[in-house]
Amino acid sequence: DAKTTQPNSMESNEEEPVHLPCNHSTISGTDYIHWYRQLPSQGPEYVIHGLTSNVNNRMASLAIAEDRKSSTLILHRATLRDAAVYYCIPGGSEKLVFGKGTKLTVNP
Amino acid sequence: DVKVTQSSRYLVKRTGEKVFLECVQDMDHENMFWYRQDPGLGLRLIYFSYDVKMKEKGDIPEGYSVSREKKERFSLILESASTNQTSMYLCASSSGGVPRYGYTFGSGTRLTVV
Repeated sequence: DAKTTQPNSMESNEEEPVHLPCNHSTISGTDYIHWYRQLPSQGPEYVIHGLTSNVNNRMASLAIAEDRKSSTLILHRATLRDAAVYYCIPGGSEKLVFGKGTKLTVNP
Repeated sequence: DVKVTQSSRYLVKRTGEKVFLECVQDMDHENMFWYRQDPGLGLRLIYFSYDVKMKEKGDIPEGYSVSREKKERFSLILESASTNQTSMYLCASSSGGVPRYGYTFGSGTRLTVV
């Protein structure tokens, strides 16, 4: 399993963009980069995933470095509901291995 | 919406009891997973299954077993519950391959073993 490094915590203000970084320098060539988040008292929920190209969906954007050793999850306008722990998970089609993630605090 | 339903939100059991945690998904997903989550340790994979009657050990299978007799149901069994199995247990399911919409998790079962 590829090793990931994420900041333990980050803080943002409501309605501002948030860039959540993740370093995954040992990622294999076939691993996707998955992002999940976990709101308080809930199970994790899928946010986005990608392989090489940047990806957008209704929740977020994923920017993947050209060498794939790092990626950034972008929340374009943070809301209070985005306060959660965000997990970056390199992996293929098998099991996902969760790290400690980044706890995002959103200030009103 | 895909739903993953865990039978109990909170459960209190005695040491030595046999405990069954049930998980049901309604989207015909091939893959199902059991994780436990503890403060400071994050989510750890206990067991997973890619098909009916198939099971694979995760990172911490000791003290647990699983059963998947039907595609939609994946049960986690604590053969003889111990206090160190007090935890939040999370079930998840996904379609085969790299799932287009990721894993879907249940809301969790908080198990306390006394």
